[in-house]
Amino acid sequence: DAGVIQSPRHEVTEMGQEVTLRCKPISGHDYLFWYRQTMMRGLELLIYFNNNVPIDDSGMPEDRFSAKMPNASFSTLKIQPSEPRDSAVYFCASSLGLAPHEQYFGPGTRLTVT
Amino acid sequence: QKEVEQNSGPLSVPEGAIASLNCTYSDRGSQSFFWYRQYSGKSPELIMFIYSNGDKEDGRFTAQLNKASQYVSLLIRDSQPSDSATYLCAVTLSGYSTLTFGKGTMLLVSP
Repeated sequence: DAGVIQSPRHEVTEMGQEVTLRCKPISGHDYLFWYRQTMMRGLELLIYFNNNVPIDDSGMPEDRFSAKMPNASFSTLKIQPSEPRDSAVYFCASSLGLAPHEQYFGPGTRLTVT
Repeated sequence: QKEVEQNSGPLSVPEGAIASLNCTYSDRGSQSFFWYRQYSGKSPELIMFIYSNGDKEDGRFTAQLNKASQYVSLLIRDSQPSDSATYLCAVTLSGYSTLTFGKGTMLLVSP
């Protein structure tokens, strides 16, 4: 298996623009997680899905953030409009279940908003 | 506010020494504990997890859990330069739950 795939790997955009991050989980994994990592706040869970259904989005910082999972092999995290404080590394992870099942992380998308 | 605290480091140890990484957590209901390793510019990867008080060994790694004192530690024996990375502690509240991560401790192993 290729592991969790994320695109793009790097994204540089201007404040106010829409940003869409993409994720393909490992085939057969029922859970998908979106995380954000910054030096100040560490690794934070934004939202997670079970069988394509959003279960907990309490970590989504603002209404500017939205996530979808239209099918078992694809998810998006959208930021509209983007702001400089959204600059971070965004990770997608998938697993067969909640902990203690191991979460497998994608390579991340480094987002820079100028 | 449930918190997971780690010293940011860097923790510097010479090659061959034992590296000791510590983590404390605020929620007494926390039930499972995980250590992830993250190389610079890479994604986190699971090293090991522990549920019960005491020690759990896996190769050069030993996780230690003390629920009464609310801390979990990771010992790395015979440290190698390739162990240089940031180590993230993560906990769950219940048996099956999402992970809450600490900010990580940077470990530097010098040859």
